[in-house]
Amino acid sequence: QSVLTQPPSASGTPGLRVTISCSGSSSNIGSNTVNWYQQLPGTAPKLLIYSNNQRPSGVPDRFSGSKSGTSASLAISGLQSEDEADYYCAAWDDSLDGLGVVFGGGTKLTVL
Amino acid sequence: QVQLQESGPGLVKPSGTLSLTCAVSGDSISDDNWWSWVRQPPGKGLEWIGEIFHTGGSNCNLSLKSRVTMSVDKSKNQFSLKLSSVTAADTAVYFCARFRVVAITTQGSFMGWEKHFDFWGQGALVTVSS
Repeated sequence: QSVLTQPPSASGTPGLRVTISCSGSSSNIGSNTVNWYQQLPGTAPKLLIYSNNQRPSGVPDRFSGSKSGTSASLAISGLQSEDEADYYCAAWDDSLDGLGVVFGGGTKLTVL
Repeated sequence: QVQLQESGPGLVKPSGTLSLTCAVSGDSISDDNWWSWVRQPPGKGLEWIGEIFHTGGSNCNLSLKSRVTMSVDKSKNQFSLKLSSVTAADTAVYFCARFRVVAITTQGSFMGWEKHFDFWGQGALVTVSS
């Protein structure tokens, strides 16, 4: 059971836009920044979005992130077949149960 | 470009100790970054194990804390993980990663910390089985 909640799956057709949600609480998303990671099959996760909405160098501007309160979203516009991957949200958690990084359970994106 | 490479036994017996090392290149382990371990059981999601600073300071997932030991070897520019009393539930791909911690400031005022994993190793599959 993951601390952050994501839908297990999402899908979209090439060229269209898809969003993936991530829900947390006041001790993680509510008080810290959110990051998103993309994991292609058989590979290590790759940083996609950091600090809620910042893209590392080399990440296309088709990918965007947002945060509001205790929830965050990843949007992918102009969907491409190579976007088919697992996507994870993550944030630092300041709860009394222990400091550390918490992840969402991951969303498997299928490009139809 | 920062690169990380995990190494260690791919098979560990139940009740034994899992040992992994992460060699870092392209960055000094003594710089102002934290160095982390994340694992992923087959077909499942990511789980943060812990992080260590070059001074030896560390944070660890409470659920694993009693079994985890992390260390840094500055002379070899690498860091290590030991997980004791392993069971089949510890079978996973283990990733090492650089954990970037940056102060967020607005007009000179400190607003908090931005923390994220920016570079990852390729991962090492460790199977716990007799």
